[in-house]
Amino acid sequence: AQSVTQPDIHITVSEGASLELRCNYSYGATPYLFWYVQSPGQGLQLLLKYFSGDTLVQGIKGFEAEFKRSQSSFNLRKPSVHWSDAAEYFCAVGAGGSYIPTFGRGTSLIVHP
Amino acid sequence: EAQVTQNPRYLITVTGKKLTVTCSQNMNHEYMSWYRQDPGLGLRQIYYSMNVEVTDKGDVPEGYKVSRKEKRNFPLILESPSPNQTSLYFCASSLSVQYEQYFGPGTRLTVT
Repeated sequence: AQSVTQPDIHITVSEGASLELRCNYSYGATPYLFWYVQSPGQGLQLLLKYFSGDTLVQGIKGFEAEFKRSQSSFNLRKPSVHWSDAAEYFCAVGAGGSYIPTFGRGTSLIVHP
Repeated sequence: EAQVTQNPRYLITVTGKKLTVTCSQNMNHEYMSWYRQDPGLGLRQIYYSMNVEVTDKGDVPEGYKVSRKEKRNFPLILESPSPNQTSLYFCASSLSVQYEQYFGPGTRLTVT
């Protein structure tokens, strides 16, 4: 069965600092991978996705993620965090044979001024 | 504008009183699903639909029903709500099960 682990429940960074949110997955084949962001009181919005090809993918709002097959990871990065990036971030694996996508439990990002 | 809409956005009800949360998408997506979000548990899928008249259980289907009579609509029905169904609910749609999902704004349900 596929699974997604986000080991950090909360991460606190200072505005302007770099950011890396971790995501590890378990999946039998090449996965479809996603990062979503949820701002307070909002639904989830897609930040970026990986299907195949270049393992470094660019997303919206200056985010990028790198797919590392050997480590079963898909970590999200941003070189300089803005206060408006404070939100909940979810990593997800697109469904395989189960037809049910799998989400991680989320990482809450807190940004200090 | 491509979007998923849900109604109502907020709902307070009492135990046992049937309710329906509507969901509609205008992107001609085949795959639609319902999730509930609870603190510390992330998103859990309740039901999904691969296409019209094709629905199946997700990870937490107990106490819920769905229907997909039209491609654009996917209502969630709670026939006899209980307090443990107090949660934040999201509807989502996508071209296909493997692809990115588009989420509605959420419905916050409180059952007393």
